[in-house]
Amino acid sequence: DQQVKQNSPSLSVQEGRISILNCDYTNSMFDYFLWYKKYPAEGPTFLISISSIKDKNEDGRFTVFLNKSAKHLSLHIVPSQPGDSAVYFCAGLSFFGNEKLTFGTGTRLTIIP
Amino acid sequence: KAGVTQTPRYLIKTRGQQVTLSCSPISGHRSVSWYQQTPGQGLQFLFEYFSETQRNKGNFPGRFSGRQFSNSRSEMNVSTLELGDSALYLCASSNANLGLTGTYEQYFGPGTRLTVT
Repeated sequence: DQQVKQNSPSLSVQEGRISILNCDYTNSMFDYFLWYKKYPAEGPTFLISISSIKDKNEDGRFTVFLNKSAKHLSLHIVPSQPGDSAVYFCAGLSFFGNEKLTFGTGTRLTIIP
Repeated sequence: KAGVTQTPRYLIKTRGQQVTLSCSPISGHRSVSWYQQTPGQGLQFLFEYFSETQRNKGNFPGRFSGRQFSNSRSEMNVSTLELGDSALYLCASSNANLGLTGTYEQYFGPGTRLTVT
């Protein structure tokens, strides 16, 4: 049962433009959603999180939007930079399941100079 | 402040052996989780510890075990290694904020790359 889905395996964006990464979920019990950036053979780097009672959270170039009725969230990166090229994972967390993160399958973002 | 640290970074073992991996969480973080990453299965949850107690366990065989010490440092052990245990093992620690009005963050270490031959 894939509770968190990232339907786009890859995305290419021109440098300076906006990157929008999407994530859908089926588990209504998630309390938080987190976004991570990952390079091969390294641990994921935490980017930003959002509580299920909010619809937007912003941190620098990163903004996460949550649409609970659609069970959809998105990560916006503005402006996109070459160093943003990586695989991005969204993850859901339910405090009922303690600290267990359920990850999506990832989206590979490539920033074109 | 220092991030999550894991030792060793690389390990090569043979089938049937056992291995212990170590994780030191971010100072002040009391929750430590372990994940396995493989190309085919992605990031899979192993278990989570809080105040020396295992609170949650993923769908892995009993050969995978862990523990947490009073200083929040954690170890995981894999006994009777199999070829399929070759993976990147990741440790993460969190601020364990159980409210919805604050912020929640879970940070990962660099991982231990285990190769079983």
